Amino acid sequence: DAGITQSPRYKITETGRQVTLMCHQTWSHSYMFWYRQDLGHGLRLIYYSAAADITDKGEVPDGYVVSRSKTENFPLTLESATRSQTSVYFCASGVSSGNTIYFGEGSWLTVV
Amino acid sequence: DQQVKQNSPSLSVQEGRISILNCDYTNSMFDYFLWYKKYPAEGPTFLISISSIKDKNEDGRFTVFLNKSAKHLSLHIVPSQPGDSAVYFCAASGQAGTALIFGKGTTLSVSS
Repeated sequence: DAGITQSPRYKITETGRQVTLMCHQTWSHSYMFWYRQDLGHGLRLIYYSAAADITDKGEVPDGYVVSRSKTENFPLTLESATRSQTSVYFCASGVSSGNTIYFGEGSWLTVV
Repeated sequence: DQQVKQNSPSLSVQEGRISILNCDYTNSMFDYFLWYKKYPAEGPTFLISISSIKDKNEDGRFTVFLNKSAKHLSLHIVPSQPGDSAVYFCAASGQAGTALIFGKGTTLSVSS
């Protein structure tokens, strides 16, 4: 049982490049989330989705795009990567938005 | 403005003693609170939660206390073990359909 998986786990990209981080869950959870973790900031919400084709901005959405065509997938795209987007990105899913959510193992992204 | 605050970035405790991690919140609409634990290079994992209708919830060595009037919750770990060394995140939720809001985390170090 894979649960929730993220890919790639590690990525180095150049400034200005487009990068997509993938997230896949096998629980059929309605809600999916993207958080980023940075030193001194904890976990900050980027975007979340209540169901297929429904997405909402979080605290730090600028520079990111999401889509959710299927319940199980929630890709996060950096349209033109910047150094400030160097971070660890965590995808999560849950039955509801304000209850227990379950995280993937994270994607380490470095923008040079 | 931070709605969930963990004012102690770090805490060091000896094995066998009690660890107390604190969390304050500002939004009186929050009605559900969670603690997550995170080891390096892994995603956060759910530890324990509490609803605003309770003031205490216990699960083995872990107890969460909620003081609504003070807008404060704490996580007690008794007895602390070296394997408890991790980053602990406090999270809160309120309005239906909104995502969890996390604090910045407290790094717990338990020495043997």
